[in-house]
Amino acid sequence: NAGVTQTPKFRVLKTGQSMTLLCAQDMNHEYMYWYRQDPGMGLRLIHYSVGEGTTAKGEVPDGYNVSRLKKQNFLLGLESAAPSQTSVYFCASQPHSGRVGQGSYNEQFFGPGTRLTVL
Amino acid sequence: GENVEQHPSTLSVQEGDSAVIKCTYSDSASNYFPWYKQELGKRPQLIIDIRSNVGEKKDQRIAVTLNKTAKHFSLHITETQPEDSAVYFCAASIRGRGGSEKLVFGKGMKLTVNP
Repeated sequence: NAGVTQTPKFRVLKTGQSMTLLCAQDMNHEYMYWYRQDPGMGLRLIHYSVGEGTTAKGEVPDGYNVSRLKKQNFLLGLESAAPSQTSVYFCASQPHSGRVGQGSYNEQFFGPGTRLTVL
Repeated sequence: GENVEQHPSTLSVQEGDSAVIKCTYSDSASNYFPWYKQELGKRPQLIIDIRSNVGEKKDQRIAVTLNKTAKHFSLHITETQPEDSAVYFCAASIRGRGGSEKLVFGKGMKLTVNP
């Protein structure tokens, strides 16, 4: 199993450009999450999904959109990138509550991260 | 909104010493408290977790304690080794949509273990 993978690993954008980050998981997890990590700020939740076709806002959703058309994929879009969106982005997946799969109950499994710089 | 405070933000210890990281949370409904370790340039990885019906949990050199009344929990690392050097994040669960549990993370603590 590849676990959770993210594409791309690195990206540099100019202000106003758009891009999509892809998260994929092969563990059949129901829940998926997008976080951003900034120095001294920990991990902050952007958007999340509790199943195919559903999404919800997290703590810092402004400037981002998401889609979960397939259970294994969770896409994060930036329509018009801003320098404030320079960050490291992590995707995570989690099994449905009560369903024991890989790892312990409620554990979130993280992808390797995408380092995004907006100039 | 829900909040998790973590302190200290940095800690430097000598190899073999113990390290303690403390976190407080605001949502009394939180019932799951994981700890993640993140090495430089790597992804966060779960090292230990505790649920609200348990007061303490131990796994070799690491242990976590939970005080639900005071709404705080702590990570204890004994006999620290240089490979324990990393950033440690605590988190607390809050109920999200569809029965899911979102996590609110603390800001992290950078642990340095000096040989």
